[in-house]
Amino acid sequence: ELKVEQNPLFLSMQEGKNYTIYCNYSTTSDRLYWYRQDPGKSLESLFVLLSNGAVKQEGRLMASLDTKARLSTLHITAAVHDLSATYFCAVDSMDSNYQLIWGAGTKLIIKP
Amino acid sequence: EPEVTQTPSHQVTQMGQEVILRCVPISNHLYFYWYRQILGQKVEFLVSFYNNEISEKSEIFDDQFSVERPDGSNFTLKIRSTKLEDSAMYFCASLQGHGYTFGSGTRLTVV
Repeated sequence: ELKVEQNPLFLSMQEGKNYTIYCNYSTTSDRLYWYRQDPGKSLESLFVLLSNGAVKQEGRLMASLDTKARLSTLHITAAVHDLSATYFCAVDSMDSNYQLIWGAGTKLIIKP
Repeated sequence: EPEVTQTPSHQVTQMGQEVILRCVPISNHLYFYWYRQILGQKVEFLVSFYNNEISEKSEIFDDQFSVERPDGSNFTLKIRSTKLEDSAMYFCASLQGHGYTFGSGTRLTVV
C-alpha cells in the first residue's frame, strides 16, 4: 500500500530564513507532486517530479526527488510572508491506477 | 488557461438529504477524479473515472456515493443520504499527461 509521510506538520519561521519540508513515500511511485493550499481554497500545483535526481525551482521554492531513498524535499529560500500556506506532497503510480495519495500537509507560517 | 469548474461553491444540506456536486472537467482530458478534504485534514481519494466508467474507488466511496458523466461534459458526484461526517470540501480533478488540474471545490456542510 502506498503511503506518504510529510514532516514537519507545522512550521513557524521568520522571514528571510531557509527551511526544508520532507516527504517520504513507502513504495515505488511514478510521479511526485507538490501542491500549495491557502485557507479555504483549492489546490495549486507547484511541481511535478518524474525521475530520480529531478530538481525544479520556482522563485523561492525548490523541489527535489530521490527515488532510491523515496524522498522528496521542498526547500524554501529566504522565506517571505506570502509563502504562508499549507503545502502537500502527493504521489501516484500505475499500480494505484493513478490515484493521488497525499501527505498530511505542512502548515507553514512565516512571520515578518 | 483551461479550468475545472465546480458548482456550487458551498452547499448546506440536512442530514439524510441527497446532494449532487457538479464538475465540468477540461474538455480534452480523459481521467476524472473526486477527492475530499475534511476541514484541517489531508486530501483523500474517492473515485476515478475513465472511459465513462469507474476505474478505481476508495473505501470511503460506499453505496451512498455515485458518479456520472451524463452528457459528455458534466461530471457529477451524488451522495444519496448525507451524514454529518460527509461535511468536507470536495474537489474534482482531471488529468492529462502528468498534470492534474483541480477545481475550486465545493464546501459541503451537513447539518
